[in-house]
Amino acid sequence: GAGVSQSPRYKVAKRGQDVALRCDPISGHVSLFWYQQALGQGPEFLTYFQNEAQLDKSGLPSDRFFAERPEGSVSTLKIQRTQQEDSAVYLCASSLVGQGGYEQYFGPGTRLTVT
Amino acid sequence: KQEVTQIPAALSVPEGENLVLNCSFTDSAIYNLQWFRQDPGKGLTSLLLIQSSQREQTSGRLNASLDKSSGRSTLYIAASQPGDSATYLCAANYGQNFVFGPGTRLSVLP
Repeated sequence: GAGVSQSPRYKVAKRGQDVALRCDPISGHVSLFWYQQALGQGPEFLTYFQNEAQLDKSGLPSDRFFAERPEGSVSTLKIQRTQQEDSAVYLCASSLVGQGGYEQYFGPGTRLTVT
Repeated sequence: KQEVTQIPAALSVPEGENLVLNCSFTDSAIYNLQWFRQDPGKGLTSLLLIQSSQREQTSGRLNASLDKSSGRSTLYIAASQPGDSATYLCAANYGQNFVFGPGTRLSVLP
């Protein structure tokens, strides 16, 4: 595709609901990253995939957060039993290859609001 | 802990001025450093990528420099325009993830 796409662009969830956020990376990109961006702050790393393997999930804030990329392309970030502090923009990025000096390309993000 | 800071937090300048945005990172073992632009409610647009072995990169009116040993990078914007108004973020790449700074909010006044 032309770029990284994410859906939905906006999501409003009531506290306690489960949500699923989707990321379609650029075709052929091996690496996929998820970030969380709170209002007025820079993005913070959540997790990283190389193909279908989740190599780093050290940034996931709690066990309510779960990410998968079963076929090495599309990825889903799932948040169970949402809390108000989960309200943020969730950004997905992809890059051509794995570790090292390759440029990341970002999607437009999903703005999650938990009420 | 790997941390990235940016100075200033916000900047307002009249159109036409040249300006410098600063980025500092605590761990110099970076693969590269990337500068992004973020418009309100939008994702990140990559501006410049500097590999750890490079000293600077240029694109149009933008020039980014990297001093890895001192843990610093600067983004120079020449002849600023109102369309440059946005938040500018730097990110240090440590292999499997980027560590972002909090950004500099730039307003260029016509």
